[in-house]
Amino acid sequence: GQQLNQSPQSMFIQEGEDVSMNCTSSSIFNTWLWYKQDPGEGPVLLIALYKAGELTSNGRLTAQFGITRKDSFLNISASIPSDVGIYFCAGPGVNAGNMLTFGGGTRLMVKP
Amino acid sequence: SQTIHQWPATLVQPVGSPLSLECTVEGTSNPNLYWYRQAAGRGLQLLFYSVGIGQISSEVPQNLSASRPQDRQFILSSKKLLLSDSGFYLCAWSPGTFYEQYFGPGTRLTVT
Repeated sequence: GQQLNQSPQSMFIQEGEDVSMNCTSSSIFNTWLWYKQDPGEGPVLLIALYKAGELTSNGRLTAQFGITRKDSFLNISASIPSDVGIYFCAGPGVNAGNMLTFGGGTRLMVKP
Repeated sequence: SQTIHQWPATLVQPVGSPLSLECTVEGTSNPNLYWYRQAAGRGLQLLFYSVGIGQISSEVPQNLSASRPQDRQFILSSKKLLLSDSGFYLCAWSPGTFYEQYFGPGTRLTVT
């Protein structure tokens, strides 16, 4: 089946810094999703991408669907303490029906 | 708008005891429903999914089972819990025609 590799696995940054993380797939995806999970809570959908090359923003967050359809990127500008959490990428693959494959997550820690 | 509920929020159970976790969705009909487990600091493992009443597919063989007695109700059960069943259990739903999944608040299960 499909595998998603997220990097970095964790990041410890200073408040105000920009953040970049990415996700790569072993196969082509036709949708990319980015979630954020706060400690002790369920993941929340941040951004959904549907077309290769698509760039979508949600406030300080910007995500891109890679043109090869095998990768996606999430950027956070001017980080703040409430950005702390685990960020997951997910995608269905081409033949995976309505199920999702999740990456292992990027744990973000922000120092005030 | 759609809402997903899970209960209980926290559960401590002895080894060998039964388990029943409940998930309900409001504000939509014919959703796809999913059960995930998340070990501490780890990614999401899909356990079961359902595309309709009485239709359950299992992704991981184990001592857990799932049932969908009503369109918007999804139940996770076990007859005898193991220590390895401890974790954070998440229920999610998706519209039948889209990949985006929306998660509930989760149940923290500790087996002692």
